[in-house]
Amino acid sequence: AQSVTQPDIHITVSEGASLELRCNYSYGATPYLFWYVQSPGQGLQLLLKYFSGDTLVQGIKGFEAEFKRSQSSFNLRKPSVHWSDAAEYFCAVGAMDTGRRALTFGSGTRLQVQP
Amino acid sequence: DARVTQTPRHKVTEMGQEVTMRCQPILGHNTVFWYRQTMMQGLELLAYFRNRAPLDDSGMPKDRFSAEMPDATLATLKIQPSEPRDSAVYFCASGLVLGKNTEAFFGQGTRLTVV
Repeated sequence: AQSVTQPDIHITVSEGASLELRCNYSYGATPYLFWYVQSPGQGLQLLLKYFSGDTLVQGIKGFEAEFKRSQSSFNLRKPSVHWSDAAEYFCAVGAMDTGRRALTFGSGTRLQVQP
Repeated sequence: DARVTQTPRHKVTEMGQEVTMRCQPILGHNTVFWYRQTMMQGLELLAYFRNRAPLDDSGMPKDRFSAEMPDATLATLKIQPSEPRDSAVYFCASGLVLGKNTEAFFGQGTRLTVV
């Protein structure tokens, strides 16, 4: 079974500081990996995704993530955080070898940005 | 601007009443997902459909929940009878699954409160 672990429930950073949100997944084969962001009262918006190829993927709003197979990780990064980045971030994994195209989500990391 | 539309956005109902949540997927998408989000369980997959056929509804309590796609433009999630523990935000997502593309676009959710 596929699973996702986001070890940090809550992170606080200062505006302008760099950010890294951790994500570890469990799956036997090469997974599809995603990062979504959820603002309060809103649905989930896709930030970026990894299917294959270059292990460093660029997303919207200045985010990037790096797939590291050896560490089963897909950490999200941003070099300089803006106050508007305060939200909850979800990592998700989807299997690609069984035809099951549903996503399994991590428990989320809530990001707070201090002025 | 294509988007997934969910109605109603908010629903308060009494225990024992029937609740129907509706979702209009993005035109042309062939896959629809229903997720439930709670503080305790996070995002849980309830069911998903491919080309209107149910592929997996193992995450759904069968005795009270049912999900259908009467046509390609409408997906419904019904709870009968509703219980207080069903209080959650229910998200619909749609995607065009072709080959390796499995991206899901989320609606804004239906916040259900059962009193």
